[in-house]
Amino acid sequence: QVHLVQSGAEVKNPGASVKVSCKASGFNFRSYVVHWVRQAPGQRLEWMGWINGGNGNTKYSQKFQGRVTITRDTSARTGYMELSSLTSEDTAVYYCAMPSGTGITGTEFDYWGQGTLVTVPS
Amino acid sequence: EIVLTQSPGTLSLSPGERATLSCRASQTISSSYLAWYQQKPGQAPRLLIYGASSRATGIPDRFSGSGSGTDFTLTIRRLDPEDFAVYFCQQYDSSPQRYTFGQGTKLEIK
Repeated sequence: QVHLVQSGAEVKNPGASVKVSCKASGFNFRSYVVHWVRQAPGQRLEWMGWINGGNGNTKYSQKFQGRVTITRDTSARTGYMELSSLTSEDTAVYYCAMPSGTGITGTEFDYWGQGTLVTVPS
Repeated sequence: EIVLTQSPGTLSLSPGERATLSCRASQTISSSYLAWYQQKPGQAPRLLIYGASSRATGIPDRFSGSGSGTDFTLTIRRLDPEDFAVYFCQQYDSSPQRYTFGQGTKLEIK
């Protein structure tokens, strides 16, 4: 059974960086692509990017390019999303999510982590 | 960039009634790339429908999706109390690759 368990809530000052983790269990981490999606209060969900668990290739949304870094540690079966130069507009719940197919970026998200609230006070 | 607009913003119905939720795209999209999710407070979204009309694993058959081109619909027949939640549509673009979501429809108990 696929489980994605994320790290706990964070409060960061403006200008700082945050790194959120997503630990996988129940499947071969190297065979899947892990995406990151965020949900700011009152805003629609936003896709941020993905990482291939096997080869480490990444792709980022143009909106976050240059500010987001997605990595993984295969031995720890964990993916990471780091967002830098935080502002109050980055206050959101950040999710890791995955398609069900192996080795593909997918067209929708079958599995989701529980979410991590990142708060950046204004 | 394709924009998804959902309507209505809020839908007030009673258990047992039928719900019809709309998702309109700003330009034609492939039916293969349209999905619907349900989200309850404090929870992650849950995939309901993919490919516009295919139910995800474990989703009850009272949920159905339809549509093509720019207009897509999620129908929930015979609402169950557990169905009251927020629903999002989502589409996939391959060139450039990106995923975009609608703003959501809140289904509330009347």
